[in-house]
Amino acid sequence: SQELEQSPQSLIVQEGKNLTINCTSSKTLYGLYWYKQKYGEGLIFLMMLQKGGEEKSHEKITAKLDEKKQQSSLHITASQPSHAGIYLCGAIPSSNTGKLIFGQGTTLQVKP
Amino acid sequence: NAGVTQTPKFRILKIGQSMTLQCTQDMNHNYMYWYRQDPGMGLKLIYYSVGAGITDKGEVPNGYNVSRSTTEDFPLRLELAAPSQTSVYFCASSRDRAVGNEQFFGPGTRLTVL
Repeated sequence: SQELEQSPQSLIVQEGKNLTINCTSSKTLYGLYWYKQKYGEGLIFLMMLQKGGEEKSHEKITAKLDEKKQQSSLHITASQPSHAGIYLCGAIPSSNTGKLIFGQGTTLQVKP
Repeated sequence: NAGVTQTPKFRILKIGQSMTLQCTQDMNHNYMYWYRQDPGMGLKLIYYSVGAGITDKGEVPNGYNVSRSTTEDFPLRLELAAPSQTSVYFCASSRDRAVGNEQFFGPGTRLTVL
């Protein structure tokens, strides 16, 4: 079965600093989703990547899917306290039944 | 649009009790999903449905049951609650299974079994 590994598991950064979260798959990715979750709330969709080499940005968050389609990175530029939360990557496995598998999540704290 | 709604938000159960977690979506989505989230473990799929009357097991179905009598509703039933079922439960929906279709998530139900 396909597995997703996120790194780091947790991260504390000073406001204004840049940071990167990685998501590595054990098999080829057919679609990679990034979600953000605040404590006690549901998941908020950030972006979805499908093609190898694809890169998308939303405000100060950029996500990339590498050419071999087995790893994605999420980069936050000039972090703010509003970026704090849990970031989850989700992937559509090769069977493509619509079900998502998820990484374990990365907890981000931003110190003002 | 309310999107995906879940009730209740919080619940404490005693071992052996039963309950139903409600999930409703108003986007006319065919696909609906139930996940559970344990600390540091990401989300695990419990059950999913591709349309009214059709359900299938996910990764961790034991101890749960589902039904899908309408497009809008996808309740999750716990028959004999156990401490291992203490978790946060999320319901999600998507238009179809095609790559590129976003899954919309509800706010979650935090369940504690004592």
